[in-house]
Parts: sequence; structure tokens; C-alpha cells
Amino acid sequence: QVHLVESGGGVVQPGRSLRLSCAASGFTFSSFGMHWVRQAPGNGLEWVAFIRTDGSNEFYAESVKGRITISRDNSKNTLYLQMSSLRAEDTAVYYCVKGKAMGYYFDYWGQGTLVTVSS
Amino acid sequence: DIQMTQSPSTLSASVGDRVTIACRASQSISSWLAWYQQKPGQAPKLLIYKASSLESGVPSRFSGSGSGTEFTLTITSLQPDDFAAYYCQQYDSYPLTFGGGTKVEIK
Repeated sequence: QVHLVESGGGVVQPGRSLRLSCAASGFTFSSFGMHWVRQAPGNGLEWVAFIRTDGSNEFYAESVKGRITISRDNSKNTLYLQMSSLRAEDTAVYYCVKGKAMGYYFDYWGQGTLVTVSS
Repeated sequence: DIQMTQSPSTLSASVGDRVTIACRASQSISSWLAWYQQKPGQAPKLLIYKASSLESGVPSRFSGSGSGTEFTLTITSLQPDDFAAYYCQQYDSYPLTFGGGTKVEIK
């Protein structure tokens, strides 16, 4: 079955960088668009970024544009999120999410990895 | 950006109740709407897509309706496993956006 396993979260100081990874298995990774969605503690869900099957196109939330880059390595079945210039408001659980059909909604979610931005 | 507004934010109900959650879009999104359920400490789970299509494996007591800007999620005969938070999400255009969530609590 589908498994999405995030890693790379932790405590990081404001202004620093962090890279999250998501190992995918149980489906043909290269055939599906992938997303990152985050959830600040006690808050709702916020879509962060999307990447097409072949990495040819990306979309970002305005709140992270210019500071975050989504990428993928289809040969390794792995999704990445490179985050820089981190702010306290980036503190959240980050979920790796598989897109369904055309990729614009979400049928499988990882367990999430917590990123805490604090000095 | 398309704003999604859910109501109510919290709902108290009893087992066996019929529950309705509303979701309004700031502009027409046709039927490009999904609903998710999230339990504490867990990732969200897809319930409904394209406004009214039931995801495989989801109990038939869940149903969705609406189009344009007004949508509803209905749970007929609420079960103990249904006490959770529910979110709507539009996928008409980027950026993808979620409603603020509705927490269904035990009355």
C-alpha cells in the first residue's frame, strides 16, 4: 500500500535553512503530482507547494514563495522541500501528500514531520 | 486567492445525530471541492472529492453536495468514530486553499 515517510524536521533558528525529505513507496511515484501541506500547532491546514510528475512545474503559497523550493527525484521516489530564511510562523507539522487524479486534491498523506523555528 | 469559509467552527452532537457542515467559496469553484476528516494526532483523510463523490472505503453515511460557491458535508447517523475535525478544500485554482475547519464534538 501507499507509504509516505517524511524526515528532516527539527528545531532550527530563525533565518536558517532546513531540507525535508519524503520517501514514497507503494505506487508509481513518477506518475503523480506531489504536495507539501503544513499545519501550525492547534491550527488548520495550509497548502504549501505542488510539483508536477516530471518536476516541470511548481506552484507555491504566497506565504512561502521565494523562501521554499519543492523538488523531486523520481529515480529515488523521493520528494523534497528546501526551506530557507525560516520564520517563527513557519513552525508547523509538514505533511508530504500525494495528489489524486490530476493532482489537485489529496488521497494519501504522510505522518508529518514537525519543524520548530525558535531561537 | 479563493477564500474558503466553513461553518460552524465547532459543532456539538450526539451519536445518531444527522450533522451538516457548510463550506462557502469566495468565488465559483464549480464542483472542484474536497472534504477531509482529521482526528487528533493523525493526518487528514480524504472523504469526498468533486463535491459529491465518495472516496473508496469511506462509509456511505458521509455525503457531499453543492456547486458554485455553496457546499455541504452531511453525516447521517453520527458514529463514535466520526468525532473529529473536518476541512473543505478547493482545487479550482492555485493557490489551493482550505476552510478553517469544523470540530465535531461529543454533546
